[in-house]
Amino acid sequence: EAGVAQSPRYKIIEKRQSVAFWCNPISGHATLYWYQQILGQGPKLLIQFQNNGVVDDSQLPKDRFSAERLKGVDSTLKIQPAKLEDSAVYLCASSRKGYGYTFGSGTRLTVV
Amino acid sequence: GIQVEQSPPDLILQEGANSTLRCNFSDSVNNLQWFHQNPWGQLINLFYIPSGTKQNGRLSATTVATERYSLLYISSSQTTDSGVYFCAADSGYSTLTFGKGTMLLVSP
Repeated sequence: EAGVAQSPRYKIIEKRQSVAFWCNPISGHATLYWYQQILGQGPKLLIQFQNNGVVDDSQLPKDRFSAERLKGVDSTLKIQPAKLEDSAVYLCASSRKGYGYTFGSGTRLTVV
Repeated sequence: GIQVEQSPPDLILQEGANSTLRCNFSDSVNNLQWFHQNPWGQLINLFYIPSGTKQNGRLSATTVATERYSLLYISSSQTTDSGVYFCAADSGYSTLTFGKGTMLLVSP
């Protein structure tokens, strides 16, 4: 089966600019996640979707981050305005019950 | 939420050596996975193993759910095994919590 697709692979922006990341999960996976991984740390959950509904966004900095999952398939994560501390790898994953998570290649964001 | 602790934090091996990585978790789990993060940052799923033992080539994993730990065994290590190994668990809320990882360096 095709994996989780993410784009872009890399992005460099200046602070206070906006940026968007895109994710296409594995076909048939109802659950989609966005994780943030800061250098030297393990990934941390930002938001979880079940189909097109939000299950958990308790760790999403809602003053600057937003995410949507239209039609329960693709998802977009946006940051506006970006801060230096947002520099990280943004990982998308999808899952189905009993099979665990599959992660995409990630988007490496550098804010300068 | 669930706490996940990994040990050791760093490990240096010579090619051909064997190693054991440990993961302790604070609650009963519905899901436990081991991942390898390669130098390009991609997380590769090694095992989905909430309980029992699985083997895949030179790698095997065992989770003892009643004692809240999991072990990842790497035998006859190769330089391509280098990278960060993450254990991640969820206790039933469908959200994986990651440990801090074990950084493995295999030298030729």
